[in-house]
Amino acid sequence: SAVISQKPSRDICQRGTSLTIQCQVDSQVTMMFWYRQQPGQSLTLIATANQGSEATYESGFVIDKFPISRPNLTFSTLTVSNMSPEDSSIYLCSVVGRLNYEQYFGPGTRLTVT
Amino acid sequence: RKEVEQDPGPFNVPEGATVAFNCTYSNSASQSFFWYRQDCRKEPKLLMSVYSSGNEDGRFTAQLNRASQYISLLIRDSKLSDSATYLCVVNFGGSNYKLTFGKGTLLTVNP
Repeated sequence: SAVISQKPSRDICQRGTSLTIQCQVDSQVTMMFWYRQQPGQSLTLIATANQGSEATYESGFVIDKFPISRPNLTFSTLTVSNMSPEDSSIYLCSVVGRLNYEQYFGPGTRLTVT
Repeated sequence: RKEVEQDPGPFNVPEGATVAFNCTYSNSASQSFFWYRQDCRKEPKLLMSVYSSGNEDGRFTAQLNRASQYISLLIRDSKLSDSATYLCVVNFGGSNYKLTFGKGTLLTVNP
């Protein structure tokens, strides 16, 4: 499986500010995703990061709040904009493996908004 | 609506016990099925894919019943290191690779 890193690993931010999370993969991957895991909850898909075009967002998530960039096949960023305490979550990127649609996850970014 | 439902747990078992997790999914056209393991404050890690014929990996056995839209995971001879949250995950079809996660079942294996 691919080696995936995320930066930062954690951050504490004030409400109203924005944070950009980076996801780096050690090999080229076609499909990359961003998920959110709120405290005590399972993972929810935010969007599919498309290389060379706008991200595809899931219901309940919008580009103005979660802008995503995917400049190449090894890198993506997710920005959490105008943060509120409700945005406190773990944000994870994932990539699709070569067999059977399995996905592999980065270590996550633990965000706390005060 | 595409949903994945799991036993809510938590499960507390002694070392050496056999434990089974169950999961149901809502869409009969679902394409791919997985069990992930998530340790506390860590990312989910793929435990095994689930195939129609069933599959086994050491102490772990996964089974799929498409007619009943049911997936199971059996852990035999459980170890302390098996303590984690087990997530049932489904790809509901299409080429979009999108995964839907169950809420997870927490397993604690006690000495």
